[in-house]
Amino acid sequence: DTGVSQDPRHKITKRGQNVTFRCDPISEHNRLYWYRQTLGQGPEFLTYFQNEAQLEKSRLLSDRFSAERPKGSFSTLEIQRTEQGDSAMYLCASSTKGPGPEQYFGPGTRLTVT
Amino acid sequence: AQRVTQPEKLLSVFKGAPVELKCNYSYSGSPELFWYVQYSRQRLQLLLRHISRESIKGFTADLNKGETSFHLKKPFAQEEDSAMYYCALRPGTYKYIFGTGTRLKVLA
Repeated sequence: DTGVSQDPRHKITKRGQNVTFRCDPISEHNRLYWYRQTLGQGPEFLTYFQNEAQLEKSRLLSDRFSAERPKGSFSTLEIQRTEQGDSAMYLCASSTKGPGPEQYFGPGTRLTVT
Repeated sequence: AQRVTQPEKLLSVFKGAPVELKCNYSYSGSPELFWYVQYSRQRLQLLLRHISRESIKGFTADLNKGETSFHLKKPFAQEEDSAMYYCALRPGTYKYIFGTGTRLKVLA
């Protein structure tokens, strides 16, 4: 297991197009998180899954954003009708259960909307 | 509002000098606090968490509830400590709130 992986690593799209990103967590981790990071900022929480259940969702996540984790393993994040403001690094992290769990981050997917 | 503040965008110190990266949080409950680090061309990774009370790579951080702070300290900086450091708060829910980060540069 090489850690959390994300695909693609880079995505350039035109405004108005839909994009989908994939995250493969560490296999025994049942918790999965999505974050967005823009230049000069720290990661901003988007959503959280425990197994296949989406238990928390940020108000930052507009109706254009949706995330799934259908079998409690990999997860996808879809952005519909992309806007230039969606340009950012999208990070995925996974962790086990327990107090103060360590999040293991993926390398991120850099999205550029032109 | 729940918030993490890292007041310094950049901190430059000489090798061997003490380092203190500041972190203040805003949360009325009992917080869980973390420091994450990102070295050049590497992923974000956990450095330490307050519940563990451990020292990692010579770094320590003490939670001060009175001052709502969780500053990261190291007595003698090394060049390999140069990185981006993020303080994070887990305010009793599943989400984590990160600060804007401090870039530490350790000069030879």
